[in-house]
Parts: sequence; structure tokens; C-alpha cells
Amino acid sequence: DTGVSQDPRHKITKRGQNVTFRCDPISEHNRLYWYRQTLGQGPEFLTYFQNEAQLEKSRLLSDRFSAERPKGSFSTLEIQRTEQGDSAMYLCASSLGLGGLFGEQFFGPGTRLTVL
Amino acid sequence: AQSVAQPEDQVNVAEGNPLTVKCTYSVSGNPYLFWYVQYPNRGLQFLLKYITGDNLVKGSYGFEAEFNKSQTSFHLKKPSALVSDSALYFCAGGDYKLSFGAGTTVTVRA
Repeated sequence: DTGVSQDPRHKITKRGQNVTFRCDPISEHNRLYWYRQTLGQGPEFLTYFQNEAQLEKSRLLSDRFSAERPKGSFSTLEIQRTEQGDSAMYLCASSLGLGGLFGEQFFGPGTRLTVL
Repeated sequence: AQSVAQPEDQVNVAEGNPLTVKCTYSVSGNPYLFWYVQYPNRGLQFLLKYITGDNLVKGSYGFEAEFNKSQTSFHLKKPSALVSDSALYFCAGGDYKLSFGAGTTVTVRA
């Protein structure tokens, strides 16, 4: 399977703990995105990378959230001091963007986070 | 900035009947519009996109969408629905920062 993969698929943690999620994009894709989806809602944009550079962060991404894409391949999303309001599905997507075109985004299966 | 709205939470159709899922958009420039489908416990799957060109866009699994500038709409259509089309459908707009609608649950009854 050469699609976007995410690990873990499910994470249950206690409030105050730190968690880290990993996303492996489609190999030739230079752009990578993180979204958050809560029950009954569409995904909301969190952040976006072009190669290893993080080019935009949503206001939804508080100081407790950090994302990296160190070598322009896989990405990690870390949440420090988790809160119950962080419980959601975290989606990663990637696209092949050339010039000013961003290309359609292909999504991974998501990581479902439950904070107790 | 782009935003989209899906006015219907649910759509119910009989198998073999036409299926339409509605989406309206609001943009400050050229619209970039997408449809995705989400099955239980699976990620979003890309169906089709409108960037420019023909107003009728054809996509995967027999779906198509009609871009209507005057009505600021981008409705998803399928001429003959299948039970397997039952899923959650999302309209989205944007270039790199997609803005999604709340989703429409489609149920196709046998």
C-alpha cells in the first residue's frame, strides 16, 4: 500500500500526558498537512509543510502542539500536557504541489486520540 | 479565503435513483473545490475537484459534480446510486488550507 499511513491508529492517554503521532506521506509528495476532526464535524486545518519547512499554523494549534517534518519525509505531531478537549481524530494528508498548484490532498486513516 | 457549506445533514435515496449532495461556497478569489467521501474507520477518499475549465467535473466511482458560478454551488451527483455509496460526504474548498463542510450522511436503501 503506497498511501498515507499514520501511527498509531488509536491512542488513549490520561490528561496531562504527552503524546506523539507519526505520519508517513506518499513518497513523492512534497507537501504535508495535519487536520483535526471532531465528531460530527468536518476536518479543520492545523498546519502545513512544504518539504521540511512549516509554512503555516492555524490558531487552533496552541503552544502545546508542535509539528515537525525533519527531513521532508515523515512528520510528527506532538501534544504536550493533553487536555480532554484534545480528544479528536488527527488526520494527515499529503499532496504533490508544483509551482503555484497544490494538488489534491490524499488522507491517511487518522489517529484517534482519547484523553481521559 | 474559501468556505463551504453543506445544507443537508442527511440524504436518503433508494438504490438506482439519482443521488445529489449539495454544497455551496464562498470565496474571495478563484474557487478550488473538492469532494471527499469517508467510510467508517477509514480516511477521507478523494472523489473529484474543480480548479478551472468545464463546469461538469467527472470523478471516481461514477460521481460527478457541477460547478455553478451564479449560484455559488458545487453539487455532487450520481445518476444511479448504489447501496455501497452509503457514507459520509464532505465538500471542501481552498488551495492548501482546505475548509470542509460539516458533512452529509448518505444512506442508499436497497
